[in-house]
Amino acid sequence: ETAVFQTPNYHVTQVGNEVSFNCKQTLGHDTMYWYKQDSKKLLKIMFSYNNKQLIVNETVPRRFSPQSSDKAHLNLRIKSVEPEDSAVYLCASSYWGALDTQYFGPGTRLLVL
Amino acid sequence: SQLAEENLWALSVHEGESVTVNCSYKTSITALQWYRQKSGEGPAQLILIRSNEREKRNGRLRATLDTSSQSSSLSITATRCEDTAVYFCATRNMGYKLTFGTGTSLLVDP
Repeated sequence: ETAVFQTPNYHVTQVGNEVSFNCKQTLGHDTMYWYKQDSKKLLKIMFSYNNKQLIVNETVPRRFSPQSSDKAHLNLRIKSVEPEDSAVYLCASSYWGALDTQYFGPGTRLLVL
Repeated sequence: SQLAEENLWALSVHEGESVTVNCSYKTSITALQWYRQKSGEGPAQLILIRSNEREKRNGRLRATLDTSSQSSSLSITATRCEDTAVYFCATRNMGYKLTFGTGTSLLVDP
């Protein structure tokens, strides 16, 4: 099956803990992305990787860091989570190009207590 | 930076009816995409319409683009319960970045 896979589906943690989310795509794409979706469904891009190079780094807090081992994997680490980090984190992939469709995973829902 | 915005936050229709979701944006674009996100899933692209196109169809879906008024619409005919979802427009400029609108929640009642 070719798709974008994310783990875990849900994660509950406490303020100050470190969390890591995994994303893998089997579509053969060369670019991957992380988005944050808040409680109002607003989608904001956080990072993207193309051929292991960070090409977008929006003004996200420094406690967020993307980690890529190859073009099929892009993980997201949050060091010392805060309550405002509670959201759904969506991973996506595409071919590099201005008009290419992005394919999304199902998301990881994070709740910070 | 550009901002795509849907014009209505929530819509409700009865199954079989038609519905239109509108979107406006503020800067020049190379393309506009419509995505649908069902509960518990990630967004999935429905239609991509390039800046030099005025209309695109995909089955029961029809998207229009008016670059002069910087607006787009997505129409769904003969709605089904499974069309219940949040619909986003997303715009692209000359770069690779996709900017999503705020989303319109559509509920299709049986």
